Amino acid sequence: GDSVTQMEGPVTLSEEAFLTINCTYTATGYPSLFWYVQYPGEGLQLLLKATKADDKGSNKGFEATYRKETTSFHLEKGSVQVSDSAVYFCALNSGGSNYKLTFGKGTLLTVNP
Amino acid sequence: DVKVTQSSRYLVKRTGEKVFLECVQDMDHENMFWYRQDPGLGLRLIYFSYDVKMKEKGDIPEGYSVSREKKERFSLILESASTNQTSMYLCASSLFVGTGTGYTFGSGTRLTVV
Repeated sequence: GDSVTQMEGPVTLSEEAFLTINCTYTATGYPSLFWYVQYPGEGLQLLLKATKADDKGSNKGFEATYRKETTSFHLEKGSVQVSDSAVYFCALNSGGSNYKLTFGKGTLLTVNP
Repeated sequence: DVKVTQSSRYLVKRTGEKVFLECVQDMDHENMFWYRQDPGLGLRLIYFSYDVKMKEKGDIPEGYSVSREKKERFSLILESASTNQTSMYLCASSLFVGTGTGYTFGSGTRLTVV
């Protein structure tokens, strides 16, 4: 079945540091890949997505590239801010009749001033 | 701005009570989902619905049921609440248009069963 593996957190960085959160997946077919962000006390928000191999999703300074050869979709940001502190979820959708998303367990990021 | 609205942000219920969690979306989405979120376990799918009056079990349906009488509303029912159902509950919706479609989530309901 489909599965998503994210790096375990928590991740603690100083402001302006470089961020990488690793995500690898197992899926049948050609899935679409997503990163969601959850700020404290809120629901999840779509951060970025990529629907085919070599696509790069980007939003708010975050980027992730769909790498089919390594089955990966790592999230990166060149300079994090305190306001980026949140839980980040990697997810995939491999299609089918119901379009369920399969989520990773989430990675807590804390950015200190 | 399109929205998924969950009726309560916080709920406290007693063991054995029947609990209703309501979710409404204004995007005319076909699919709706209920997840629970627990520390260390991530998001786990309870039930989903791909059309009015249609439902399918997710990964952890035991102790829950759902109702979808109208396209915009998807209710999660805890038939007899237990303390192990204390959790954050998240509702989501999506279009029925292929694998590139992500979800829109509500803000969540934090349920405590005492």
